[in-house]
Amino acid sequence: KQEVTQIPAALSVPEGENLVLNCSFTDSAIYNLQWFRQDPGKGLTSLLLIQSSQREQTSGRLNASLDKSSGRSTLYIAASQPGDSATYLCAVEDSNYQLIWGAGTKLIIKP
Amino acid sequence: EAQVTQNPRYLITVTGKKLTVTCSQNMNHEYMSWYRQDPGLGLRQIYYSMNVEVTDKGDVPEGYKVSRKEKRNFPLILESPSPNQTSLYFCASRLSWASGITDTQYFGPGTRLTVL
Repeated sequence: KQEVTQIPAALSVPEGENLVLNCSFTDSAIYNLQWFRQDPGKGLTSLLLIQSSQREQTSGRLNASLDKSSGRSTLYIAASQPGDSATYLCAVEDSNYQLIWGAGTKLIIKP
Repeated sequence: EAQVTQNPRYLITVTGKKLTVTCSQNMNHEYMSWYRQDPGLGLRQIYYSMNVEVTDKGDVPEGYKVSRKEKRNFPLILESPSPNQTSLYFCASRLSWASGITDTQYFGPGTRLTVL
């Protein structure tokens, strides 16, 4: 059964730093891997979707990589800002077209 | 504006009192689903629907019911709520079941339910 793990569970860094969030999964039979952002009271927002045949995706200051063979993905945030403070969730689309989720990393950017 | 709406956003109720959480999307999506989110756990799927009148159980369906009589609406029904159903609930939709290969899901703002 697919399991998704995110480490660390929480992270606090000063503004301006570059940072990396990690996601690992146990079964490489996935259609894609997705990163979401969760803000309190605002639901989930999709950030990046990496298809299984791709290695990375970029959007602005965000870059997500996928290594399917090792079951790992990273979300790189460049030049962090206080507005980046949120919980970041990783999810994989499995072979049944269902999303399997990690528990998230709560990120705090200190001004 | 393309969106998924949920109502109510917050609800406090008592054990055994039937309740319905509504979900509606305006994107003409075929696929809709319900998730619950609990501290320290990833989102877990309760039920999903591939199209009108087609629903199926997710990972944690016990104690919940759904219906899909119209494409835009997918209500979640708790016929006899219990304290272990206290959670944050999300409704989501996407174009179709198989579009998940390249298409993400769009989420509602969440419903925080407390069952006393």
